Amino acid sequence: TQLLEQSPQFLSIQEGENLTVYCNSSSVFSSLQWYRQEPGEGPVLLVTVVTGGEVKKLKRLTFQFGDARKDSSLHITAAQPGDTGLYLCAGAISSGSARQLTFGSGTQLTVLP
Amino acid sequence: EADIYQTPRYLVIGTGKKITLECSQTMGHDKMYWYQQDPGMELHLIHYSYGVNSTEKGDLSSESTVSRIRTEHFPLTLESARPSHTSQYLCASSVGGFLSGGYTFGSGTRLTVV
Repeated sequence: TQLLEQSPQFLSIQEGENLTVYCNSSSVFSSLQWYRQEPGEGPVLLVTVVTGGEVKKLKRLTFQFGDARKDSSLHITAAQPGDTGLYLCAGAISSGSARQLTFGSGTQLTVLP
Repeated sequence: EADIYQTPRYLVIGTGKKITLECSQTMGHDKMYWYQQDPGMELHLIHYSYGVNSTEKGDLSSESTVSRIRTEHFPLTLESARPSHTSQYLCASSVGGFLSGGYTFGSGTRLTVV
């Protein structure tokens, strides 16, 4: 199983600030997904990136897949309290088998009003 | 509006008891998964199923068992619960593999074995 490291592990910021969280691996992934998990709930898919260098935007969230497909970042502009949650990245190799899917341990984001 | 349901949401049970965690989905997804999640740790795959009568063990060694008799139902059973089984259990489903779209997760069952 490939290891996905997420950083920072915890992040607490004020409303209106910008932030970036990272997802890194020594392995190459064919695609990568970001999920957000709120307390007491399961993760919810935010985005899937499949091409090296790909950038996707979802309102104030910008996702980038590294050129070498070993890393990804999530940038949030003007964070709001509603962005609070655990952000998980998950990568898969090309086989698409469930056994080949790796989740990171997450970044716990708290946005203070 | 949840399309995948897990019950119970919370369960506190004594050591040695047999328990079944329920998971049902209404989306007709062929693929279903059970993950274990501890605080600050990544999700670990413990079982998965690609269709009726098809089940496989995941990467994390688990003393639990699963069954898939109907497409929509994927229960997980612990024959004899132990404190080491205390964790959050997440059920998920997908219409295809990871590359075909994301997983839809249930809200989880928080299990505490005392």
